[in-house]
Amino acid sequence: AQTVTQSQPEMSVQEAETVTLSCTYDTSESDYYLFWYKQPPSRQMILVIRQEAYKQQNATENRFSVNFQKAAKSFSLKISDSQLGDAAMYFCAYRSARNDKIIFGKGTRLHILP
Amino acid sequence: GAGVSQSPSNKVTEKGKDVELRCDPISGHTALYWYRQRLGQGLEFLIYFQGNSAPDKSGLPSDRFSAERTGESVSTLTIQRTQQEDSAVYLCASSLYRENTEAFFGQGTRLTVV
Repeated sequence: AQTVTQSQPEMSVQEAETVTLSCTYDTSESDYYLFWYKQPPSRQMILVIRQEAYKQQNATENRFSVNFQKAAKSFSLKISDSQLGDAAMYFCAYRSARNDKIIFGKGTRLHILP
Repeated sequence: GAGVSQSPSNKVTEKGKDVELRCDPISGHTALYWYRQRLGQGLEFLIYFQGNSAPDKSGLPSDRFSAERTGESVSTLTIQRTQQEDSAVYLCASSLYRENTEAFFGQGTRLTVV
């Protein structure tokens, strides 16, 4: 069975600085998708960025980028120029391309220090 | 509909009562997911549907939990003989099947068992 591990329960970063959130996963599948979601206090889950496992190029979305290391089964999220609005829980997710099951890590709570 | 809709948004029930939580997915989304999120915790996978079938029910915590989906649309999560440890936010998400798209989430139902 697949698992997703986020080893940092909480992190803090100074406003305008860069922070990296870690995620590792375990799977025997070769084809899958990876996602980072943000959950602010409103509770609404918001997609931050996605990555297809067959693509070697790391995905980027404005200030958000990933470091996808397929062999190491690692999928970290880098947030550049951190803003107060980035404060939230961040969840890493794995979606199987074989059966569409989606599982999540336990999350990292990110604090932005003004 | 425009988004995933869950009802009720909040539910307070007495221990031992049965509750039904409803999820209306985005029209045309064939995959539907249920997760449980305890306060400050991650998303715990419960069950997912492909169409009206549930290929993986492994996350249901006990036989008090059941779910069904009809018409490849609305889904109901039922918890029988509720216990205090069932108190949590129950999140529903929907997605296209076999597509590299994210799951779209509802706002969740906050269940409190007193």
